[in-house]
Amino acid sequence: DIQMTQSPSTLSASIGDRVTITCRASQNVNSWLAWYQQKPGKAPNLMIYKASTLESGVPSRFSGSGSGTEFTLTITSLQPDDFASYYCLQYNNYATFGQGTKVEIK
Amino acid sequence: EVQLLESGGGLVQPGGSLRLSCAASGFAFSSYTMGWVRQAPGKGLEWVSAIRAGGDITSYAGSVKGRFAISRDNSKNTLYLQMDSLRAEDTALYFCTKYPCSGSGCQNYFDYWGQGTLVTVSS
Repeated sequence: DIQMTQSPSTLSASIGDRVTITCRASQNVNSWLAWYQQKPGKAPNLMIYKASTLESGVPSRFSGSGSGTEFTLTITSLQPDDFASYYCLQYNNYATFGQGTKVEIK
Repeated sequence: EVQLLESGGGLVQPGGSLRLSCAASGFAFSSYTMGWVRQAPGKGLEWVSAIRAGGDITSYAGSVKGRFAISRDNSKNTLYLQMDSLRAEDTALYFCTKYPCSGSGCQNYFDYWGQGTLVTVSS
């Protein structure tokens, strides 16, 4: 099974900050990686797929990069609506999520 | 507008069974792979199962293999998850998910999610 290690688990940031979340795969997943945003009591929302393709309607301050075993999600200027939990998902071999990163207000 | 509406959750004793349903609308249900993802209270996301558009190919996480069965009725636009031999660790919010396509060459991420149905396994 492919394991996904996401870091940090919690991130404290301020409005306007640049934020980076990292996801590492235990083996090569090529570019088959997605990122989801989840707010409390809500279903996850697709942000990025194929490592760097922005889902329609997602603000351009979000971006994804990486391939193979190391991936990043970057928010260039954190907005109030971005405080949430973020999960990576590898779908190269079945599907495995990272353990999540909670972005909270500093 | 894509809509996925789960039902069938509830309280069940360990060893018991439950059948979840997901009513889909707003897209050509019979053309897409569908699946289930769960989230234990306060925890992360776990993929559970998936079924191809035609219903002929299914897959399961190791934690549920042999106990859960996914199926679909394309005439009713409905996805199911039969859960048997339930354990306390199956307690979670179960989300119905849609994939962006079906078949070989399809990228197997989830582009739409329902709001979930809660399953609690406890005596």
